[in-house]
Amino acid sequence: QSALTQPASVSGSPGQSITISCTGTSSDVGGYNYVSWYQQHPGKAPKLMIYDVSNRPSGVSNRFSGSKSGNTASLTISGLQAEDEADYYCSSYTSTKNSVFGGGTKLTVL
Amino acid sequence: QLQLQESGPGLVKPSEALSLTCTVSGGSISSNSYYWGWIRQPPGKGLEWIGTIYYTGTSYYNPSLKSRVTMSVDTSKNQFSLRLTSVTAADTAVYYCARQNKITGVGPNWFGPWGQGTLVTVSS
Repeated sequence: QSALTQPASVSGSPGQSITISCTGTSSDVGGYNYVSWYQQHPGKAPKLMIYDVSNRPSGVSNRFSGSKSGNTASLTISGLQAEDEADYYCSSYTSTKNSVFGGGTKLTVL
Repeated sequence: QLQLQESGPGLVKPSEALSLTCTVSGGSISSNSYYWGWIRQPPGKGLEWIGTIYYTGTSYYNPSLKSRVTMSVDTSKNQFSLRLTSVTAADTAVYYCARQNKITGVGPNWFGPWGQGTLVTVSS
C-alpha cells in the first residue's frame, strides 16, 4: 500500500484559513468515510483532530473541519492561530483492513 | 481517562529483534469496541503504521513489514506487544502505541489516544 499524498508544507497568516489536502485511491480515501486527521507538535505524540472525514472529537476547536470529495480528503483550519503551527497527518482505513498515513504537512503560521 | 505507555529497550543491535510493550491503564484492552495499534516515526520523518491487533489476537500488519512483525496481546496484564525481527538502522524511530476505534462489521479506524512514544535506536 502506498502512503497518502499530502503537500509538504502550507502557510498562512493569523486569522486566515488554510486547507491541507490528502489524496489516496478508491481502495482507501475514496472508498470509505474513514479518514482521520492528526496534529503533531515537535517532540509530542500525535493528537486526533478529525475522524470519519468530518467529525471533531470533544475538546477540538470548531476552527478545524474536514471534508472529502472523491479520492481526496481535506482539512481546513479557519482563524489561524500561532498554536496551530504543527505537522498534520491524514490517515485512512483501507480495503484490506489496514491503515495508511499521509506523508505529513508542515503548517507554518506567518 | 485511558492512558497508554510504551516500554522496552532504547538500543537494539542490527540483525537482532526489537521488542516493545504497551501498557494500557484506565480501561480494558479486552473491550469489544477497540483495536490496538503500533505506529512509528523515524527521526525527522512521517508516521508509518506498523500493525493493529484485537484482544482476540486477530491482527493486521503493514505489508512492507509483515515478514518481520509479530504482535500479541496479554489480557491478564492489559498489555499488547510488538516484535520486529532482523532490524537495521532504517528501523530507528520513535515507536507509538495507540487505541484504534472499531467500526462494527468493518475493522479498525482512527487512532486515539496515543502513548507518549519511545525512541528505539538500532546501532552496534
